[in-house]
Amino acid sequence: DARVTQTPRHKVTEMGQEVTMRCQPILGHNTVFWYRQTMMQGLELLAYFRNRAPLDDSGMPKDRFSAEMPDATLATLKIQPSEPRDSAVYFCASGSGIPLYNEQFFGPGTRLTVL
Amino acid sequence: AQSVAQPEDQVNVAEGNPLTVKCTYSVSGNPYLFWYVQYPNRGLQFLLKYITGDNLVKGSYGFEAEFNKSQTSFHLKKPSALVSDSALYFCAVRDGGSQGNLIFGKGTKLSVKP
Repeated sequence: DARVTQTPRHKVTEMGQEVTMRCQPILGHNTVFWYRQTMMQGLELLAYFRNRAPLDDSGMPKDRFSAEMPDATLATLKIQPSEPRDSAVYFCASGSGIPLYNEQFFGPGTRLTVL
Repeated sequence: AQSVAQPEDQVNVAEGNPLTVKCTYSVSGNPYLFWYVQYPNRGLQFLLKYITGDNLVKGSYGFEAEFNKSQTSFHLKKPSALVSDSALYFCAVRDGGSQGNLIFGKGTKLSVKP
């Protein structure tokens, strides 16, 4: 049963610290998405990769957030320095084929709390 | 610009009754529409999608959705609700002219009481 995995599942950190979240997309999937979910804003797209190349990161605060895909099996989202307003659940999702038509498969999320 | 609206924050239904979760959309090109469900402390799970063809789409767990182009709607339905259907439901849309990004609605909390 292929699944998207995310680590860590929970992270509590102090303001100013660096946070790294990792995602392993489903093997063979060529698109990876990072979303942030909060009660106030709902689901927001942060970044979108296709074949490891960033296609859209317009939803990401550039001064503190960065997203990369070092290889096809790993996507990372970093926040440096973290702030309390970054507290949210961060989801990674992957997909294959034609992105327009196909569904995304979501990981379980990383719940981030910045004190 | 593409957008999707879920007008109800919460829908309450008695078990065994039919349920409807509403969704309307706005796109400049052809709409590609999706429904996802999120159970507590879990990621989103795909339920069904409309790309083209028959306006009535059947999906997982007995859910279906009807695409209505004139009303720009894509309501989620189920003939007989189960308590286990209680969850957060998201409608999402892609614009045919976009990179493929999904735009999600705010979500509707479905509560099914025994």
